[in-house]
Amino acid sequence: DTGVSQDPRHKITKRGQNVTFRCDPISEHNRLYWYRQTLGQGPEFLTYFQNEAQLEKSRLLSDRFSAERPKGSFSTLEIQRTEQGDSAMYLCASSFIPSDTQYFGPGTRLTVL
Amino acid sequence: QQQVKQSPQSLIVQKGGIPIINCAYENTAFDYFPWYQQFPGKGPALLIAIRPDVSEKKEGRFTISFNKSAKQFSLHIMDSQPGDSATYFCAASANYGGSQGNLIFGKGTKLSVKP
Repeated sequence: DTGVSQDPRHKITKRGQNVTFRCDPISEHNRLYWYRQTLGQGPEFLTYFQNEAQLEKSRLLSDRFSAERPKGSFSTLEIQRTEQGDSAMYLCASSFIPSDTQYFGPGTRLTVL
Repeated sequence: QQQVKQSPQSLIVQKGGIPIINCAYENTAFDYFPWYQQFPGKGPALLIAIRPDVSEKKEGRFTISFNKSAKQFSLHIMDSQPGDSATYFCAASANYGGSQGNLIFGKGTKLSVKP
């Protein structure tokens, strides 16, 4: 399978713990996006990278959230001191400029108890 | 402020029917309008997309109609099948510096196609 992959698929954690998610984009895709989707809502943009540079961050991305894409390939999204409101599906997407199409991964379902 | 408004929230049709999902946007800078299909537990998958320079685009059983002056666009699914039962999202993005930015999604329409 050469699509976008995300790991883990599911994560259950206790409030206050730190969690880290990984996204592997489609090979050679230079853009990588993170979105968050809560139940019954559409995905909401969090941040995106072009190669290794983080070009934009949403106001939704509080100081507890940090994302990296160290070598312009895979990316990690870390949430520190998780809160119950962080429970959501975290989606990763990638694209190859100049194509407009964003390809989404299966997501990581986070549950904060 | 919701930049892309989608309706209806849910839709039930019989097999062979033509469900229509509507979206309206506010930001005139938007110039790329995709539709995504999402099954439970899966990520969204691109169905079809349109740019404002055309009023209609067809791909298989899926058609987008676009009305630039009204800032509205809609998805039509011809000859709908039970396998089309899923949640559909419209989205929009603007071009910054020669490439599309992040997608702004509607809240989704849950479609159920009855056999």
